[in-house]
Amino acid sequence: GEEVAQTPKHLVRGEGQKAKLYCAPIKGHSYVFWYQQVLKNEFKFLISFQNENVFDETGMPKERFSAKCLPNSPCSLEIQATKLEDSAVYFCASSQLSSWAGGNNEQFFGPGTRLTVL
Amino acid sequence: DAKTTQPPSMDCAEGRAANLPCNHSTISGNEYVYWYRQIHSQGPQYIIHGLKNNETNEMASLIITEDRKSSTLILPHATLRDTAVYYCIVSYGNNRLAFGKGNQVVVIP
Repeated sequence: GEEVAQTPKHLVRGEGQKAKLYCAPIKGHSYVFWYQQVLKNEFKFLISFQNENVFDETGMPKERFSAKCLPNSPCSLEIQATKLEDSAVYFCASSQLSSWAGGNNEQFFGPGTRLTVL
Repeated sequence: DAKTTQPPSMDCAEGRAANLPCNHSTISGNEYVYWYRQIHSQGPQYIIHGLKNNETNEMASLIITEDRKSSTLILPHATLRDTAVYYCIVSYGNNRLAFGKGNQVVVIP
């Protein structure tokens, strides 16, 4: 597609429940990024993929968070045993594979999934 | 791990040029300067990026100082729809974007 699609738009979970978020990158884009926005302006990088391979996972809380990008499927971000502090908007972004290292890292963002943990 | 400094907020008059400053004194030689904005709670939107030279596109102009330690994003004719949080980011290749707190720009009629 021409836009990054994220589902669901809103997700409400009780503390301790599992949450699974989905992202369909723009067709032809090889990189997928996940960001968490807890407060209005504070973005935190979580993980990125190059195709189905993890590219950078240094932002990922390893204990309860996991993510996948499998061929011919939307990418997913899963939170096991959600906590109150996981309440945030989760944004997915995609970008094209650069033919050379350097510029034009334009990331296209989806509309986000708002996760509320009660 | 944001490597840029921006004013937390600024007001701009509708129809006037808006000049948004950014300091990035520790920028590396291969890092680009990117500008994104977030309108309301939508996903961030790419505006423009540059390495050394000034850049212009249909949305904005980017002026980068010769020492690359600072830059200015110029919205030539600000409209009410330009009210947003603007983020100045330095990045390389397909690395993560390190968003700072951004600059809340309000365009006033």
